[in-house]
Amino acid sequence: RKEVEQDPGPFNVPEGATVAFNCTYSNSASQSFFWYRQDCRKEPKLLMSVYSSGNEDGRFTAQLNRASQYISLLIRDSKLSDSATYLCVVRGNSGYALNFGKGTSLLVTP
Amino acid sequence: EAQVTQNPRYLITVTGKKLTVTCSQNMNHEYMSWYRQDPGLGLRQIYYSMNVEVTDKGDVPEGYKVSRKEKRNFPLILESPSPNQTSLYFCASSNLQGSSNEQFFGPGTRLTVL
Repeated sequence: RKEVEQDPGPFNVPEGATVAFNCTYSNSASQSFFWYRQDCRKEPKLLMSVYSSGNEDGRFTAQLNRASQYISLLIRDSKLSDSATYLCVVRGNSGYALNFGKGTSLLVTP
Repeated sequence: EAQVTQNPRYLITVTGKKLTVTCSQNMNHEYMSWYRQDPGLGLRQIYYSMNVEVTDKGDVPEGYKVSRKEKRNFPLILESPSPNQTSLYFCASSNLQGSSNEQFFGPGTRLTVL
């Protein structure tokens, strides 16, 4: 079983829509959780960290459910510029290696 | 400007011809790492380094070598490249202090081995 699993999509949504991505992880001892964004043929960049209490950054909301080993990302009022691949990333309880999901592709259309 | 640089950005080579992809960061980060990204497989870690002269294997180290003689540089060496090493390679670095451990990625190196 892969350590981090995501629905690959693609998710095609109109501008202004709300879209949610989900991710599950297998290592219950995982310590840190992140969402990274990757534009086509570019490097991944940190979008936001995910905290147990949930956190929000503008139109983006991240949630963590440790009991279910589940992470989510909600994007409200989608913009064309949100089109990208979103990578769910988990760091284990030892070392600093990050485990990346394969990514969920989002396409926001006019 | 804080950044991770990689060179070359694009490389086409032939089987068996040794090559090195350089990686340099100017953020004084202790941790550096190499990944390869392939369609359908996502990002997979090749090697990582926690500090100077400290390197360790990631998930897919076969066919690769690394060195960490200086803190800022972490070159990836392919002694005898093969076509299955055709991929998009990313170098990344992060600070080991603090809780964020955000990894900063280089722009990527697209390698084709014929």
